[in-house]
Amino acid sequence: DADVTQTPRNRITKTGKRIMLECSQTKGHDRMYWYRQDPGLGLRLIYYSFDVKDINKGEISDGYSVSRQAQAKFSLSLESAIPNQTALYFCATSRDGGELFFGEGSRLTVL
Amino acid sequence: AQSVAQPEDQVNVAEGNPLTVKCTYSVSGNPYLFWYVQYPNRGLQFLLKYITGDNLVKGSYGFEAEFNKSQTSFHLKKPSALVSDSALYFCAGGGLNKYIFGTGTRLKVLA
Repeated sequence: DADVTQTPRNRITKTGKRIMLECSQTKGHDRMYWYRQDPGLGLRLIYYSFDVKDINKGEISDGYSVSRQAQAKFSLSLESAIPNQTALYFCATSRDGGELFFGEGSRLTVL
Repeated sequence: AQSVAQPEDQVNVAEGNPLTVKCTYSVSGNPYLFWYVQYPNRGLQFLLKYITGDNLVKGSYGFEAEFNKSQTSFHLKKPSALVSDSALYFCAGGGLNKYIFGTGTRLKVLA
């Protein structure tokens, strides 16, 4: 089983719909992140959490919200999806000062 | 503001030749620097990191990177490229565990 699991892997939805992307990890790491990947723009940080009671905005948090339900679970929500949120979304985990461990990605298409 | 730059969108190299993928950074304090590789339809995989110590860092799959403080660079290198090295490479940097990613460089190794 993967250390960092994202669901769903692919999702097509319509403008205005609410979408939740889920992430769970078995690494035992406290730190979890959500990134968005767009061609030519690299990865941009949406939200990050250093423990269950800690949530922080990244560089592109507008239109997104997150929930850290447990040390191992970190969900990303789009309350009202719009087409420019079409992207590949990655969840990642890390230890303090360590490298990131990524999930396989969730490809979201908003029509 | 912190930033990481990858000046080349694509690098082509013949199999067996040495390869270099460039990265420069602007990170406050002592930088934490990383290289990741992404294969099609996969998450990013960690290759190597520099936190402190020797300027030449060795990583997975025969890759290495040289930290150059005066030039604020962290170029990825490999002495002899393989066709299987063809992928998208990301440089990342930061401190306090807020990692900034470059826009990525697509490496194509030609047989």
